[in-house]
Amino acid sequence: DAKTTQPTSMDCAEGRAANLPCNHSTISGNEYVYWYRQIHSQGPQYIIHGLKNNETNEMASLIITEDRKSSTLILPHATLRDTAVYYCWAGGTSYGKLTFGQGTILTVHP
Amino acid sequence: GAVVSQHPSRVICKSGTSVKIECRSLDFQATTMFWYRQFPKQSLMLMATSNEGSKATYEQGVEKDKFLINHASLTLSTLTVTSAHPEDSSFYICSASPSASGWGEQFFGPGTRLTVL
Repeated sequence: DAKTTQPTSMDCAEGRAANLPCNHSTISGNEYVYWYRQIHSQGPQYIIHGLKNNETNEMASLIITEDRKSSTLILPHATLRDTAVYYCWAGGTSYGKLTFGQGTILTVHP
Repeated sequence: GAVVSQHPSRVICKSGTSVKIECRSLDFQATTMFWYRQFPKQSLMLMATSNEGSKATYEQGVEKDKFLINHASLTLSTLTVTSAHPEDSSFYICSASPSASGWGEQFFGPGTRLTVL
C-alpha cells in the first residue's frame, strides 16, 4: 500500500464544494485510490475509488492527477451531514485490508 | 449497497469477563471479513482478517488468545474479547465485501462500543 498524506482538518460552508486533497506519491501502477468517510461513532462508509481516470458517482467526484501522485475528493454541494473524517487509501496488493491514516476532519458550517 | 450488521451495538461488562461481538453480512456472502479497533480520537486499526473455514490472521501486536475470532459461516464472524480489562474498552468495527464489488470496496458494520468497568 502507498503511504498517504492528508491535511488534518478542513472547513467548508454549507452548499459550497468541499475539495479534499490526498498525496500518494509512492503509489504503484496497479494500485487504486479509495476514499472512505466516517461520521462520528459510526462505521466507515465507502465513497468512491479510481485508478487513473476521474470518477463520479452520486456522492462525490474523484480527480486523480496524471502522474497519479495525488488526488482530490470533491463533494460538490456540501451539507451539514457531510461533516465527517475522510480517509484516503491507496493500495492493491492486500485483499480487502485497509489501513487507515489519520484522515481529514471536514467540518461543514451553516 | 451491501449491508453489514453488528451485535451488540453497545456493551458494558465487568473486568475479567468475556464479550462476544457478532458481525453479519446480511445480503451477501463473505469468505473474508476484517476486524478493526478504534480508540477515541484515533484512526481505525486493523486487528485481524477473519477467514471462513480457517484460522484468522492477526496483525502484529494483536494477541490471538485474547481476541478470539470464529468465522463459522459465509455470513457470520464473531470476535470474542476474553478476560476483558478496561484498556480493551474501544469501538470495534467489522467489514466485509461481496466479491463482485472488488476487494477494495469494503462495507463496514455500525460498530460495537465496548466499555469494560
